[in-house]
Amino acid sequence: GAGVSQSPRYKVAKRGQDVALRCDPISGHVSLFWYQQALGQGPEFLTYFQNEAQLDKSGLPSDRFFAERPEGSVSTLKIQRTQQEDSAVYLCASSPGLGEDIQYFGAGTRLSVL
Amino acid sequence: LAKTTQPISMDSYEGQEVNITCSHNNIATNDYITWYQQFPSQGPRFIIQGYKTKVTNEVASLFIPADRKSSTLSLPRVSLSDTAVYYCLVGVGDSSYKLIFGSGTRLLVRP
Repeated sequence: GAGVSQSPRYKVAKRGQDVALRCDPISGHVSLFWYQQALGQGPEFLTYFQNEAQLDKSGLPSDRFFAERPEGSVSTLKIQRTQQEDSAVYLCASSPGLGEDIQYFGAGTRLSVL
Repeated sequence: LAKTTQPISMDSYEGQEVNITCSHNNIATNDYITWYQQFPSQGPRFIIQGYKTKVTNEVASLFIPADRKSSTLSLPRVSLSDTAVYYCLVGVGDSSYKLIFGSGTRLLVRP
């Protein structure tokens, strides 16, 4: 079927606004990951879900970042009161098993905070 | 998780073989070595994974010496479309789900 789908592809926010980024993983994939990628850098891990359970959120930069996957499928990454330093590409990935498999990435959402 | 070191950039020409070497001196016994490729405006894409000796698939080969402190990704007969950033990742352990990317190697293939 289709790969990992992320929306929107681009988001411009004014500083202080809240944003929500959506990820549709590959159907049936148990594990879902969020990464943040700054310009010119490799992706950095944010958080990991196994089905609906968030097993690791150690990479979330602050309590303004919140992720959920309530039904074990679609996930949303929410950033409250956005700051300029939040500008980055946010990548979602999924894998079929319990996290040790190959990860399949979406194209990402490019967030620009003005 | 073991730290990896790879060249920042490489240049090549169409039709040549490209070898990108990654150092991982502190690799643990149960660590695998994985390479991802990333094109502009896309997410990373898995290329190949290995533990020791040599692994080959339809895209690339991965050479791992006996001491496993380094590995070499080999791309045969590159084309312009192979221009991308290539990441070497090492690590299994309890947090194997957490991919740790470095800055990668930017490969530019010229006509």
